[in-house]
Formats: sequence, C-alpha cells, structure tokens
Amino acid sequence: DAGVIQSPRHEVTEMGQEVTLRCKPISGHDYLFWYRQTMMRGLELLIYFNNNVPIDDSGMPEDRFSAKMPNASFSTLKIQPSEPRDSAVYFCASSLHIGSYSGYTFGSGTRLTVV
Amino acid sequence: QKEVEQNSGPLSVPEGAIASLNCTYSDRGSQSFFWYRQYSGKSPELIMFIYSNGDKEDGRFTAQLNKASQYVSLLIRDSQPSDSATYLCAGGGSQGNLIFGKGTKLSVKP
Repeated sequence: DAGVIQSPRHEVTEMGQEVTLRCKPISGHDYLFWYRQTMMRGLELLIYFNNNVPIDDSGMPEDRFSAKMPNASFSTLKIQPSEPRDSAVYFCASSLHIGSYSGYTFGSGTRLTVV
Repeated sequence: QKEVEQNSGPLSVPEGAIASLNCTYSDRGSQSFFWYRQYSGKSPELIMFIYSNGDKEDGRFTAQLNKASQYVSLLIRDSQPSDSATYLCAGGGSQGNLIFGKGTKLSVKP
C-alpha cells in the first residue's frame, strides 16, 4: 500500500484566501484523523471520521475550518478564510480501529503558511 | 481534560549510551500506549506500542508501562546519531482517540 497520501506538501497563501487540504487514507482503514502540529501546541486533533461519518469535531478551532469525507478514499480539510495563525503542519492519519494496537499511520503532512 | 505529559528536552546523550524518555498520562481509562519517532520535517512514525504492565522489548528499544503510576517510558540502548529525533508518546482507550504528548527532542552526539 502507498500509505496515507496528502496533498499539497506545501501551501503558501495570502490571508483571507480559501485553503483546501486533501487526504487519501490507507485502503481498508475505517478511521481518518486530521491533526495540526505547531511548536507551541504540539499535535492537536481537529476532527476524526469513522466510515466516512464525522465523529468528533470538537478540536476544530473555529467555523472557518470544515472537513468532509465524501467516500472511503478521500477527505478534505478546508479553511475559509485563512489567517496567519493557521500556519502549521497539517497531518492526516488513518487507522483500522480507533483503539487499534497498530496505532495510526500518518501522511507526509501539508505545511501551510498564511502570509 | 485528558493529557499526556512529556519533558520537551532536549535530551542529549553520547553515542552508545542509553537514552531514557518518559511520559505520564492523566486518563486512567487509557489502555494502550504508543511511541512515535518524528524526524525534523517528517511525519510521526510508530516505533512501539505497549498495553500490559511491565516491559516490552524490540531490538534496541524497550517500552515500559506502569499503570498504577500512570507512567510510560522508552529506553533506547546503544543510542546512535540516527536516533536523534523528537519522540512522541500517545495514549488511548478502547473507545477514544489517541492523545499525544508534545514530544521530547533527543540528540545523540557522536
């Protein structure tokens, strides 16, 4: 398997613009997670899906953030409008089960810079 | 608030020494624990997991879990410069997602 695939790898955008991050989970994994990583706050869970259904979005910082999973092989995280404080590395991860002893497999991440 | 705490470091050890990384967690319901390694600019990579009290060994790595003390550790024997990275501890229950610590930065000096 190719692993969790994220795109783009890097994104530089101007404040106020819409940003869309994309993720393809590992085939057969039932759970998909979106994390944000910064030096100050570490890895923060934004939202996770089970079988394409959002289960917990309590980590989504504001209404500017939204996430969808239209099918088992694709998810998006959208920020509209973007702000400089959204600059971070965004990771997508997938897992067979939420309590799986195999842990999560992370994608390569998208480094977002909002100027 | 479920939390996983780690010393941010940096922890510096000479090549060939044992590196000891520690983690405490607040959720007594957590059943399994994971150690991830993250190289600078890369994504976290799972290196070990443990769910029973005691020690679990895998090559140069040993994970230790003490549920009574809510304490998890990772020992790296014969540390190599290639082990230099940030190590993330994560805990999770059977019904909940993983909670990650902020990580400990390890530097192994040649």
